[in-house]
Formats: sequence, structure tokens, C-alpha cells
Amino acid sequence: DAGVTQSPTHLIKTRGQQVTLRCSPKSGHDTVSWYQQALGQGPQFIFQYYEEEERQRGNFPDRFSGHQFPNYSSELNVNALLLGDSALYLCASSFGGVGVEQFFGPGTRLTVL
Amino acid sequence: GQQLNQSPQSMFIQEGEDVSMNCTSSSIFNTWLWYKQEPGEGPVLLIALYKAGELTSNGRLTAQFGITRKDSFLNISASIPSDVGIYFCAGLENPNTGNQFYFGTGTSLTVIP
Repeated sequence: DAGVTQSPTHLIKTRGQQVTLRCSPKSGHDTVSWYQQALGQGPQFIFQYYEEEERQRGNFPDRFSGHQFPNYSSELNVNALLLGDSALYLCASSFGGVGVEQFFGPGTRLTVL
Repeated sequence: GQQLNQSPQSMFIQEGEDVSMNCTSSSIFNTWLWYKQEPGEGPVLLIALYKAGELTSNGRLTAQFGITRKDSFLNISASIPSDVGIYFCAGLENPNTGNQFYFGTGTSLTVIP
């Protein structure tokens, strides 16, 4: 039973570029949430996808967008990258939209130069 | 956004000692969760609490949902080297209206053999 998987594991971009991160939820899960974790801090909620729609969004600008596919996998897109976007991006999956027990992937480490 | 403050920020203890940490919020939460994160990995759910006053155990870990709903506590008994990691609390305001978790700042635990 595969857990939550994310790709790539590491990524280096320069300011102004665009990036796409990918997530496959745990088997049986249909809800994907994305978090940004800056160094030394707790994860911050970006948004959640359920039934291919964004259900809730945290305090992040429109440069952050996402998508959920029919197979429940998800993408996080960040446009016009800033230095401050450097962080670990975590994907968490759960079941049924309001699933409290979220399972996290290992994350994608994004460095913006 | 909501602020969850964890204390202490870091702990250095001898193997076999008990550990206590807490998390406080400026607002009321209906669900509290405790996660552990190790280097290079995503957070792993340890304990979930759903009712004010609830006391729940998971092996050597015990967590409590504060009566005021603005705080939660985690205790680890008889610590062992594999307890090393960063412990995060997370709160959910109302699972019926949204699924946005707010994470604390983390408590870093070091266990000295």
C-alpha cells in the first residue's frame, strides 16, 4: 500500500520562473492538501482539493495555484517565483473532503536563487 | 491567521526521562492533533483529539485537549533515542465548515543516550 508520494524531491529555480510540483495521494484517499514549510517553522496551509475543485485556501497569493486530476493526484503551481518561496512543500492526503487524519508525503524542497 | 505557540522551543533530555510540551492558541479549536517530523520526511500523525478534556494515549505518548479548547498538551514517558524529532501541534477550527489546519511552531526534542 503506497503512501503519499511527491515529485521531484528537490528543485532549484531562479526568481521569476514558474514551478510545478506533483503529489499522488495514499491509496484510497481522495482529498489533497498542500502546505508550505519554511525552515524552522511549522507547515502553513496553502489550499485543499477535493472532487477536482479547490475547497479551501489559506493566506497565499494567486501566484499559487493547483489542480486535482480524476485519479485524485494533484499539482501545485507557483508562478513568478520569489526568494521567499524557498521552502519544503508538503502534500497531505485524506479521505472524504473533511478527513481530519491527514497523511503527509516527504515533501519537495524548492530553492529559489 | 491563527497563531499556535508551542513551548518549549527545544528540549535536551536524558534517555529515560519524561517529556512535557504544550501548545496554546489565541482562538478555540474543535480538533487538536500532534505530529512528529524527522529530517527529510513529512510530519507523521501521533495523536488526534476531538473533545475538550479528552485524554488519549498512543503507547508512551499521552495528549490532552485543554478544557478551554485553546490549548493542548503532549507527554512522552520514558524517552528513547528514536523519540528525537520535531513535534508539532495542529488545530482545526470547525471540520464542518472547512479543513484548514493551523500548525504550531514546533518543539525540537533531543534525547541523549
